[in-house]
Amino acid sequence: DSGVTQTPKHLITATGQRVTLRCSPRSGDLSVYWYQQSLDQGLQFLIQYYNGEERAKGNILERFSAQQFPDLHSELNLSSLELGDSALYFCASSVGISREPQHFGDGTRLSIL
Amino acid sequence: DQQVKQNSPSLSVQEGRISILNCDYTNSMFDYFLWYKKYPAEGPTFLISISSIKDKNEDGRFTVFLNKSAKHLSLHIVPSQPGDSAVYFCAASAGGEGGSEKLVFGKGTKLTVNP
Repeated sequence: DSGVTQTPKHLITATGQRVTLRCSPRSGDLSVYWYQQSLDQGLQFLIQYYNGEERAKGNILERFSAQQFPDLHSELNLSSLELGDSALYFCASSVGISREPQHFGDGTRLSIL
Repeated sequence: DQQVKQNSPSLSVQEGRISILNCDYTNSMFDYFLWYKKYPAEGPTFLISISSIKDKNEDGRFTVFLNKSAKHLSLHIVPSQPGDSAVYFCAASAGGEGGSEKLVFGKGTKLTVNP
């Protein structure tokens, strides 16, 4: 158990809809990262927050947004969903932003029908 | 453009023998490297890391070797156990502006350890 909690585990929805994925980092961790894993692309970095502030952005679509709240949990919002958004979405956390491992949750599997 | 490459999609070894997983990278700015293990229906689990100032790091049965000139790293597992059967991901970071630790992952190597 990594200590990172992601909910829900599975989400099934339709094209055009909007969903919110939630992540609770390990106790004491200030950084939260979001990654997308699709079949052909592997794990791709989306966005990082540190202590409530956006720190870095990867190949995150404009239809996607995220935030980190004062209690340090984070939410990833996906809107105007397309079939290609079907993927596993992982959240990871670390204490800070220096050279240290990121610890991953078990992911949310998003299926777009 | 794949900056971190794991060229072997799968590897099969006998229990008790050595498993060697390889990873190549192209971005010379990468200075921190990690290996993760992933079981089905679980998130990646951190195994071991190495900074670019070192060429070897050991933790129990796991050793990571870094060859900066060749832009190559490898993970050695000795001795291999059936419970090591999983997908192994190599990851790298370049310590971006302000210290962001965005990880770039390879596509993974599926290790099977046969009893």
